[in-house]
Amino acid sequence: GDSVTQMEGPVTLSEEAFLTINCTYTATGYPSLFWYVQYPGEGLQLLLKATKADDKGSNKGFEATYRKETTSFHLEKGSVQVSDSAVYFCALDSGGYNKLIFGAGTRLAVHP
Amino acid sequence: EAQVTQNPRYLITVTGKKLTVTCSQNMNHEYMSWYRQDPGLGLRQIYYSMNVEVTDKGDVPEGYKVSRKEKRNFPLILESPSPNQTSLYFCASSLSPGSHNEQFFGPGTRLTVL
Repeated sequence: GDSVTQMEGPVTLSEEAFLTINCTYTATGYPSLFWYVQYPGEGLQLLLKATKADDKGSNKGFEATYRKETTSFHLEKGSVQVSDSAVYFCALDSGGYNKLIFGAGTRLAVHP
Repeated sequence: EAQVTQNPRYLITVTGKKLTVTCSQNMNHEYMSWYRQDPGLGLRQIYYSMNVEVTDKGDVPEGYKVSRKEKRNFPLILESPSPNQTSLYFCASSLSPGSHNEQFFGPGTRLTVL
């Protein structure tokens, strides 16, 4: 079945460091790909998405490119802030019915 | 404010005592869904609903029931909770089924079953 694999956390960075969180997927067909962010004590929020190969999703300085050849959707940010500390989830929707398959999540901690 | 609300936010109960977690959205969304979040497993879908009176099982439906009598509400019912249902639960909604539609998540309900 469909699945998403994320790098294990926690990821600990200093402010202004470069961030990469790896995400790879297995799916039949052509899924849409998402990154969601969960701040402490809150629900998940959509961070960015890409719906077809080579699409780049971007938001709040974060970017991810849909790479069909490597089945990847890695999340990057050039300069993280303390306020980016959260859990990040990679997810896919392969059926087009909004059934999201989530990765395990990666906790990011940014310190001053 | 457009939002998904869940109640209660925290609940501690005992095995076998029926409980209901409510979920309500004020965005006139057709699609609603329940997930549970467990460490190392991410979120897994329990049940979903494409519209009023239309519900279907997700990946982990055992031990849960849902109903969708009104468009805005989608309660999750645990008829006889067990300790393995201790988890963090999220309700979500979107305008309609389809991966182009953003899903909006509620704040979560942390359930502990003793």
